[in-house]
Amino acid sequence: GAGVSQSPSNKVTEKGKDVELRCDPISGHTALYWYRQSLGQGLEFLIYFQGNSAPDKSGLPSDRFSAERTGGSVSTLTIQRTQQEDSAVYLCASSYLSGPECYEQYFGPGTRLTVT
Amino acid sequence: TQLLEQSPQFLSIQEGENLTVYCNSSSVFSSLQWYRQEPGEGPVLLVTVVTGGEVKKLKRLTFQFGDARKDSSLHITAAQPGDTGLYLCAGAWGRLSFGAGTTVTVRA
Repeated sequence: GAGVSQSPSNKVTEKGKDVELRCDPISGHTALYWYRQSLGQGLEFLIYFQGNSAPDKSGLPSDRFSAERTGGSVSTLTIQRTQQEDSAVYLCASSYLSGPECYEQYFGPGTRLTVT
Repeated sequence: TQLLEQSPQFLSIQEGENLTVYCNSSSVFSSLQWYRQEPGEGPVLLVTVVTGGEVKKLKRLTFQFGDARKDSSLHITAAQPGDTGLYLCAGAWGRLSFGAGTTVTVRA
């Protein structure tokens, strides 16, 4: 399909292990966003990319979290030394126009991360 | 601390009834968006409101942006089971900030 795709859809990992979450945005979308959604909470902004650069990474909760985007397309969110509080649904979104606000964002189905 | 407060947190109604969901903040937003999210899927944008006092209609859904651009409401007329989902408001204030959402269940 032509939508935003994320993989894996579900990930169960042991505390202390590293995980990589992948996002394939809609072709041609220059902006890409990562959010985290915990049960009973709204979407927590993590980071956004304009092309391959990340003008705003202030939402990353700790230095265990990092993200990169290559070729202005695929993005990977890496969580090192996972903790139980990292358990959540990680959502990726992309938009045609740049900037963190205002523009229609198309979301992927998310990756449900469970840290045991 | 949520920048945007949504109420109620949960809402369960019978098919055919009307409902209203509220989104409030002490901050002024340049625009506000409403999304609907179904289980196992990402949010889908329903509408963007930009002007204070603006009212937008999408079939049976009516969205209103407060005059001071600090609050918004979503009203659904004659709700149907297909309206079931998590309704999220998101305010543009430097970055897009989401409320915690209202879970709406429409019983057949």
